[in-house]
Amino acid sequence: SYELTQPSSVSVSLGQTARITCSGDVLAKKFSRWFQQRPGQAPMLVIYKDTERPSGIPERFSASTSGITVTLTITGAQFEDEADYYCYSAADDYRVFGGGTKLIVL
Amino acid sequence: EVQVVESGGGLIRPGGSLRLACAASGLTFSSFSLSWVRQAPGKGLEWVSAISSSGRFTYYADPVKGRFTIVRDNSKNTVFLEMTSLRADDTALYYCRAVDGPTPHDYWGQGTLVTVSS
Repeated sequence: SYELTQPSSVSVSLGQTARITCSGDVLAKKFSRWFQQRPGQAPMLVIYKDTERPSGIPERFSASTSGITVTLTITGAQFEDEADYYCYSAADDYRVFGGGTKLIVL
Repeated sequence: EVQVVESGGGLIRPGGSLRLACAASGLTFSSFSLSWVRQAPGKGLEWVSAISSSGRFTYYADPVKGRFTIVRDNSKNTVFLEMTSLRADDTALYYCRAVDGPTPHDYWGQGTLVTVSS
């Protein structure tokens, strides 16, 4: 099986830039996605195909990739961005989520 | 508008069985792969099982392999998760997820709660 490793929490001041990393061997070979989950809600896609942003997702959300690490960047974080963020990837016969990162906006 | 609605959760004793259902509308169901993802109380997302758009290929996470079975009925736009030999650590909110390949068409339901307890 595969594993994706994320920091358990990241803090950012309002209006500053937050970066959340996700590392795992599968990321060198397969696309990644990022999901945002607010308390009591279902996950919502914010990034797909490593760096693509779905329509309706604010431009402050972006992502990059390097080797086995992908990074979600929120430029100019807002209070409404405070949530849990999960990276995800799908191997041929297995899918995996990262452990999740709680983003705290101060 | 796309809707994904799970049902079938409830309280079940250890060792028991349960069948979850997920009905999707507003999309071309037969084009989407379907997955079940669970979230234990206060914990992160855990992928459980997936089925290809045709239903030909199925995949399972190690903790449920041999106990859970995923099937789909494209004529009824529904996917099922048959769960047997349930354990306390299967207790979670079970989400259904529909994905159209590498596209941003990635839809989730609100989940159905499964509680395994004596």
